[in-house]
Amino acid sequence: GNSVTQMEGPVTLSEEAFLTINCTYTATGYPSLFWYVQYPGEGLQLLLKATKADDKGSNKGFEATYRKETTSFHLEKGSVQVSDSAVYFCARGSNYKLTFGKGTLLTVNP
Amino acid sequence: DAGITQSPRYKITETGRQVTLMCHQTWSHSYMFWYRQDLGHGLRLIYYSAAADITDKGEVPDGYVVSRSKTENFPLTLESATRSQTSVYFCASTASGDSPLHFGNGTRLTVT
Repeated sequence: GNSVTQMEGPVTLSEEAFLTINCTYTATGYPSLFWYVQYPGEGLQLLLKATKADDKGSNKGFEATYRKETTSFHLEKGSVQVSDSAVYFCARGSNYKLTFGKGTLLTVNP
Repeated sequence: DAGITQSPRYKITETGRQVTLMCHQTWSHSYMFWYRQDLGHGLRLIYYSAAADITDKGEVPDGYVVSRSKTENFPLTLESATRSQTSVYFCASTASGDSPLHFGNGTRLTVT
């Protein structure tokens, strides 16, 4: 079946550090790929997406590239801020029906 | 204000009781979803609906019932709550496959 595997956290970084959160997906069909972010006490919100191979999604300094050859969609940010502390979810599918990874808790310390 | 709202925000109930979680969206989105969020499992789809009067099972539907008599409402009912249904429940909606999911702020349910 469809699945998403993302790196387990928690991840703790200092402000301005480089962030990578790994995500791989099952290659059934031609899924779109997404990163959602959940701030404390809130629901998830879309961070970025990519709909086909080699597409790069970007938003708020975060980037992820749809890699079909490695079935990956790793999330990166060059310089994290305290305000980036949240849980990050990788997901595959169409928005009609998404399969989520288990989430990665990121804590950024000043 | 436009958006998607869930109620109640917190609920404590006893084993065996029936409880209904409410979800209301003001965008007239066709698609609505219920997910549960549990540590170690991430988000799992319980039920979804493509339009009024059309619902279908997701990954973990057992013990839950949904209805969609109006486009804007998508209540989730636990007919006889069990401790394993203690979780955070999220409702979401979207207009189409090309649009992002919009999530409510969740309902934290505790079954004692």
